[in-house]
Amino acid sequence: DGGITQSPKYLFRKEGQNVTLSCEQNLNHDAMYWYRQDPGQGLRLIYYSQIVNDFQKGDIAEGYSVSREKKESFPLTVTSAQKNPTAFYLCATRTGYSYEQYFGPGTRLTVT
Amino acid sequence: RKEVEQDPGPFNVPEGATVAFNCTYSNSASQSFFWYRQDCRKEPKLLMSVYSSGNEDGRFTAQLNRASQYISLLIRDSKLSDSATYLCVVNILTGGGNKLTFGTGTQLKVEL
Repeated sequence: DGGITQSPKYLFRKEGQNVTLSCEQNLNHDAMYWYRQDPGQGLRLIYYSQIVNDFQKGDIAEGYSVSREKKESFPLTVTSAQKNPTAFYLCATRTGYSYEQYFGPGTRLTVT
Repeated sequence: RKEVEQDPGPFNVPEGATVAFNCTYSNSASQSFFWYRQDCRKEPKLLMSVYSSGNEDGRFTAQLNRASQYISLLIRDSKLSDSATYLCVVNILTGGGNKLTFGTGTQLKVEL
């Protein structure tokens, strides 16, 4: 089955802990993206990667880190430096031939 | 001014009605345009791309007006299953690559 998987679906953490969100794809897409969505706001870009071993900061990268060691995987770490980490996190991919992005099912992170 | 602006709604319409959403964008360098659909607590899914000449997919019609910098989505013969939030999305080519900017969405509720 081709697609994008994100795990876990729900994640709960205590303040001050780092947490890593998983994003895996078997679509053979080159570009991968991380967004967060907060109630009443549009999706905001955290980080993106257009090829393996390369990534760029998006609009709200502070308090987050990523890696892209394999084409299939683009994990996002939410560090304790992120002031408001509770949000819906969405991973997306894009082929090299068009501009549409395709989203995984998302991870809802709650930090208390 | 927001880069992509949409009326948040909600638009409450009876089944079978025709409903139209508009979206305006501020960056004249915007290249590609999309409508995504997002169900409650789910990921956004691509509904359709928007082409300069306008395009139709079944009951859905998208229009682009570059001069006025707005995009529209028309839904004919609304179904209960059309109830969702519709996101207007604009692609801009930046120095770091292609960037999608998302509107906050317009909520549609189709009622019996």
